[in-house]
Amino acid sequence: AQSVTQLDSQVPVFEEAPVELRCNYSSSVSVYLFWYVQYPNQGLQLLLKYLSGSTLVESINGFEAEFNKSQTSFHLRKPSVHISDTAEYFCAVANTGFQKLVFGTGTRLLVSP
Amino acid sequence: DVKVTQSSRYLVKRTGEKVFLECVQDMDHENMFWYRQDPGLGLRLIYFSYDVKMKEKGDIPEGYSVSREKKERFSLILESASTNQTSMYLCASDLSQGHTDTQYFGPGTRLTVL
Repeated sequence: AQSVTQLDSQVPVFEEAPVELRCNYSSSVSVYLFWYVQYPNQGLQLLLKYLSGSTLVESINGFEAEFNKSQTSFHLRKPSVHISDTAEYFCAVANTGFQKLVFGTGTRLLVSP
Repeated sequence: DVKVTQSSRYLVKRTGEKVFLECVQDMDHENMFWYRQDPGLGLRLIYFSYDVKMKEKGDIPEGYSVSREKKERFSLILESASTNQTSMYLCASDLSQGHTDTQYFGPGTRLTVL
C-alpha cells in the first residue's frame, strides 16, 4: 500500500527567505505525485503535479517540485516566500493507472515579516 | 472554472441525529469523493463514486453512507452522529479517465457533534 510522509508539521520562515517542504512516499510501482495548498478557511486547490515527463514541475506562483525516483521524494521549494504563501500544504500520491489519492498529514507554512 | 459547492460551511448537530452533507459539482465530472480532515491526520477518504448510483468504500467508511442519484450530486450521510465524527468534511470531484488526475475541492463543512 502507498503512504506519504511529510515530516515537518510546521515550518516557520521569514518573508523573502527560501523554503523547502519535504515529502517522501512509499510505493512499489510507478506513481503520480501532487502538491495541494489550503489557505485559511478554504478547501484544497492544486499547486502542481507530476504525471510523466520532466521531473521538475513548476506552479504559476513560483513554487517548484522535483520528482526523485531513487529517493522516493517530491519536495516542494520556493526561492523567496511571501506573506501570502502562509497556508497548509499537502503532498499526495497515486499509483499509475486509476487509483485513489493518498494524502500526507500536511505541513503548515508560516511566513512572518 | 470548476465549482464544487457544499451545502453548509458550519453545522452543529446532536449525538444520534441523522446528518446529511450535500455536495454539488458543475463540471460534469465522473468521479466524486468525500474526505474528512483532522489535525495531524491529513485527509482520509471516506467514500468515493465513479458513476451515478455507484459507490466504493474508502479508508474510513464506518459510520457513514453515501448516495449518488445524479451525476452532479454526492451526499454523505451520518446515520447516527457521534462526537468522534466532529471534523472538517471535504468533497472533491475529478474528471480522471484512465488515470488519476487533479481533484477539485469544495470549501468544506465543519461539523460539530455535541
